[in-house]
Amino acid sequence: GESVGLHLPTLSVQEGDNSIINCAYSNSASDYFIWYKQESGKGPQFIIDIRSNMDKRQGQRVTVLLNKTVKHLSLQIAATQPGDSAVYFCAENNAGNMLTFGGGTRLMVKP
Amino acid sequence: EAQVTQNPRYLITVTGKKLTVTCSQNMNHEYMSWYRQDPGLGLRQIYYSMNVEVTDKGDVPEGYKVSRKEKRNFPLILESPSPNQTSLYFCASSMTVASYEQYFGPGTRLTVT
Repeated sequence: GESVGLHLPTLSVQEGDNSIINCAYSNSASDYFIWYKQESGKGPQFIIDIRSNMDKRQGQRVTVLLNKTVKHLSLQIAATQPGDSAVYFCAENNAGNMLTFGGGTRLMVKP
Repeated sequence: EAQVTQNPRYLITVTGKKLTVTCSQNMNHEYMSWYRQDPGLGLRQIYYSMNVEVTDKGDVPEGYKVSRKEKRNFPLILESPSPNQTSLYFCASSMTVASYEQYFGPGTRLTVT
C-alpha cells in the first residue's frame, strides 16, 4: 500500500501506556482545530476536533488540549494499542474555507 | 457505505501528457477538496469547492485545474504534468465548509517522468 514516506518526528510508546502528541499551530486567529490519523496506505481519518472557545475535549480514549496562549495543541491517547500506530496530523482552520495541516508525528506502539 | 473514491490509485505518466484524477463522494457533501502530500511538507491544499460550480484556489494551485459540475464529483486535471507534480494526492469531502469533519479518499500516487 501507499506509505506516507515522511521523515517525521517519531514517538515510540509501550502498549498500554498513554501517548501525548504535540502540535504547534501558526495562526492566532484560527478558531477550529482537528486531529487526523493516517495509517499506512490510507487517507487521513478524523479523530477529534476542538473549537477555540474550549480548552479541552474528550472522546473515546482520546483527549485534545488547546493552549491558545502559546498556540499549542496536544492529542492524548489513553492505553495506547498497536492499532494506534499511525501518523497523526493536526490541522487548523482560521475561519476561512481551508485547512492548514501540520507536518505530522509518527506514533509507534511497541508490544 | 459512505465513502470517497479516487481513480486511478496509481498512475505513471510522462511530462506534458494531460491527465485527470477522478473523485466521487456518495454522502451528498457540499464541500470537496484536493490535497497533495509530499515528504517533509505534509498535506497541502490544491483547490476546494464549496458547492456545485463554486471552486477556489488553495495553497498550491499552480499547474492544476478542477471542475464541479455535479455535487458528487470533483475531478483534478493536470493539463501539462511536470515532474514536480509527482506526489500522493488525496480528495476529501465534508458536509459543508472545511471546519467540519472531512472524509478522505484512499489516495492516488502519481509519478511524472
